[in-house]
Amino acid sequence: DAEITQSPRHKITETGRQVTLACHQTWNHNNMFWYRQDLGHGLRLIHYSYGVQDTNKGEVSDGYSVSRSNTEDLPLTLESAASSQTSVYFCASSIVPTDTQYFGPGTRLTVL
Amino acid sequence: AQSVSQHNHHVILSEAASLELGCNYSYGGTVNLFWYVQYPGQHLQLLLKYFSGDPLVKGIKGFEAEFIKSKFSFNLRKPSVQWSDTAEYFCAVNARAGGGNKLTFGTGTQLKVEL
Repeated sequence: DAEITQSPRHKITETGRQVTLACHQTWNHNNMFWYRQDLGHGLRLIHYSYGVQDTNKGEVSDGYSVSRSNTEDLPLTLESAASSQTSVYFCASSIVPTDTQYFGPGTRLTVL
Repeated sequence: AQSVSQHNHHVILSEAASLELGCNYSYGGTVNLFWYVQYPGQHLQLLLKYFSGDPLVKGIKGFEAEFIKSKFSFNLRKPSVQWSDTAEYFCAVNARAGGGNKLTFGTGTQLKVEL
């Protein structure tokens, strides 16, 4: 079955370190999204991509970057981790940007 | 910019009680509307969606939602909840013409169903 996976599932890091969260989908979807989930804020869009070599900033993109070198993967990089980036991160993909998004299991990131 | 409001942040119900979770959005154009559910420790999954047609849509596990355009609302309902419905529920909106093909989520409603 097609799926979307994220790794690692849990990570603890220190302030100032670079961190990369992986997202891999086997749906063959062109559209991929990264969200962070925080209490009281729901899910907020960090970055998204409509296809290979395409990346776009979402509403909370500061301090994050993504790259899309193939259809299956959209890694999320925190250039210099900050405590404010402690959160749960979800990756999602969709066939059509305006239609159902399929979510990965999430990565819980703690920045000390 | 589009925004989504979920007014009930925490709801506690007894089994067999009826459920209605409110969702309002702010966008005057055509929208796609979604309800997602996140069970404890799991990822988000789609409950139901509305794009066009019959404003009363049915989803999985006995859930339904009604789109009322004049009220900019898409409330989620279930006639009789079960303990297994304990989860967090998110309303999401895509403004097809002006939303940039992105989903905007509400802040979520935490539902706890007691035995």
